[in-house]
Amino acid sequence: AQSVTQLDSQVPVFEEAPVELRCNYSSSVSVYLFWYVQYPNQGLQLLLKYLSGSTLVKGINGFEAEFNKSQTSFHLRKPSVHISDTAEYFCAVSGKAGNNFNKFYFGSGTKLNVKP
Amino acid sequence: ETGVTQSPTHLIKTRGQQVTLRCSSQSGHNTVSWYQQALGQGPQFIFQYYREEENGRGNFPPRFSGLQFPNYSSELNVNALELDDSALYLCASSTGSGTSRNEQFFGPGTRLTVL
Repeated sequence: AQSVTQLDSQVPVFEEAPVELRCNYSSSVSVYLFWYVQYPNQGLQLLLKYLSGSTLVKGINGFEAEFNKSQTSFHLRKPSVHISDTAEYFCAVSGKAGNNFNKFYFGSGTKLNVKP
Repeated sequence: ETGVTQSPTHLIKTRGQQVTLRCSSQSGHNTVSWYQQALGQGPQFIFQYYREEENGRGNFPPRFSGLQFPNYSSELNVNALELDDSALYLCASSTGSGTSRNEQFFGPGTRLTVL
């Protein structure tokens, strides 16, 4: 089975500052990794995903994440945040669970609060 | 292209009642997954349907059941509601089972409150 840990439940940051949201996972099999963003009263939107290849993945809205297999991490970064980035961010992992079925495991989320 | 839609937006029920939540998948998607997101937590996988058959299930009791229809729309049914069932229920559609690569497109969710 897989699991995801997001160590920071809340991250306050000032506008135009850099930010890193941490995500660690555990798995006994190869995994695919995702970051989703959830704005208030909305569903989840995919920011980026790691499937294979380059460990540095670029996503929408200027976000990027780096897959580190040895540290089992997939931290999300943005060099300069905007007020509009205020939202909750979820890290997710997916791996085969048999019968061609792939189950997504989500972390508990990190609330990013960008202050002016 | 129409995205994933869910109905109703909000719902209030009392303990012991039954509820049906509905999801319309994105055009061309034949797989739908349902998640429960309790307040302050990440989404928890309930089950997935692929071409009208249950294709996998999370750690939820049998009173959580579902259906997928030929047009790939879906229902989540919960019987004998409990207070802990209060949550945001998310539906996600994707193209094809068997590949984690496929992005799941999420609907806005249904907020269920059980009193």
